[in-house]
Amino acid sequence: EPEVTQTPSHQVTQMGQEVILRCVPISNHLYFYWYRQILGQKVEFLVSFYNNEISEKSEIFDDQFSVERPDGSNFTLKIRSTKLEDSAMYFCASSEREANSNYEQYFGPGTRLTVT
Amino acid sequence: LAKTTQPISMDSYEGQEVNITCSHNNIATNDYITWYQQFPSQGPRFIIQGYKTKVTNEVASLFIPADRKSSTLSLPRVSLSDTAVYYCLVGARSNDYKLSFGAGTTVTVRA
Repeated sequence: EPEVTQTPSHQVTQMGQEVILRCVPISNHLYFYWYRQILGQKVEFLVSFYNNEISEKSEIFDDQFSVERPDGSNFTLKIRSTKLEDSAMYFCASSEREANSNYEQYFGPGTRLTVT
Repeated sequence: LAKTTQPISMDSYEGQEVNITCSHNNIATNDYITWYQQFPSQGPRFIIQGYKTKVTNEVASLFIPADRKSSTLSLPRVSLSDTAVYYCLVGARSNDYKLSFGAGTTVTVRA
């Protein structure tokens, strides 16, 4: 069964450093998302992406965040200058265009980001 | 987005049926009810979706009364591996829409 993959599984970085989290969505999917989950808290939407542009973003997704689809397979989330409060599990998700009548979003295993 | 209310936690034993009820009094006409499951340290996973009456798949059943103001996710004969957080989400179906997760219901299955 196709799945969303994410790398790395765990990233440790120092405050102020830039990090790039990588995702490979399911190959025939056209809609991509990033969510985050701070330890013990709920899953929060960050951004949705379609046709090489951001469709919607949350208040969390400020100027420190950016997303990119640099090639036909990868989807990245960049945090320019990490803060302690960026420590969380970051999930990438993707969905099909039309074939899936449930508009189900498929989530990756997540990248645990620890900012020290 | 319709607000949802579900129990914070439920305990069960292996082999039992678990029913989780979600209230969504302000559900809109074009809203669907979707349930996701999340295991510790994993991403959420779609379980089931419905609009009205009953929907069943290989994992669960979803019961939706005529007024659609609530729904019940039924997990038949749970096992230890069904221990997870279960989220009820209500919203219009479309691509390119954000999923709004609440706190979910933590289901703990004991031997």
